Amino acid sequence: QVQLVQSGAEVKKPGASVKVSCKASGYIFTSYYMHWVRQAPGQGLEWMGITYPSSGTANYVQTFQGRVVMTSDTSTSTVYMELSSLRPEDTAVYYCARERPEGYRFDYWGQGALVTVS
Amino acid sequence: EIVLTQSPGTLSLSPGERATLSCRASQSVNSDYLAWYQQKPGQAPRLLIYGASTRATGIPDRFSGSGSGTDFTLTVSRLEPEDVAVYYCQQYGYSYIFGQGTKLEIK
Repeated sequence: QVQLVQSGAEVKKPGASVKVSCKASGYIFTSYYMHWVRQAPGQGLEWMGITYPSSGTANYVQTFQGRVVMTSDTSTSTVYMELSSLRPEDTAVYYCARERPEGYRFDYWGQGALVTVS
Repeated sequence: EIVLTQSPGTLSLSPGERATLSCRASQSVNSDYLAWYQQKPGQAPRLLIYGASTRATGIPDRFSGSGSGTDFTLTVSRLEPEDVAVYYCQQYGYSYIFGQGTKLEIK
């Protein structure tokens, strides 16, 4: 069965960086896209960007350009999201979510990773 | 950029009743790219509906989606206590956009 298992909670100081991982299993890793979506406490869902494991490329929301890097490791079927220059307002649960190519929806989600900036 | 506005903000109904949740887009969207998600407290979102009206795998037929253009609806018939959640609509139009969510409460 499809599983996306994310790394654990992190506490960071303002100005630091955080790297969240998402290990995929149960499907062909390079046949799907992977997204990152975040959710601040008590707030809605915010799409951050997409990574294409088959090519190793990524596209980011303008809001995060210059601060975020999304990568993938096909040898371990793992995607990573690194966010730098952290601010208190980056405190959120960060989710990875899978998309079938040209599906335009997220059919499986990771359990989320809470990042606290304080 | 397209904005999705969901209403009402909170919906409180009794078990067995029907819930009707609205998602309105600021401009016409392709219904093939409209999805709904359910997020229960403390959990990740779960895909319910895609293509505006197709249920995702394993979703009960109590959940149905409809609509086109700028107006879309998620209907939950015969509410059960386990349906307590926040429901989000999402669309793709050169970016992936979410509505702000509707919180469904059971009396």
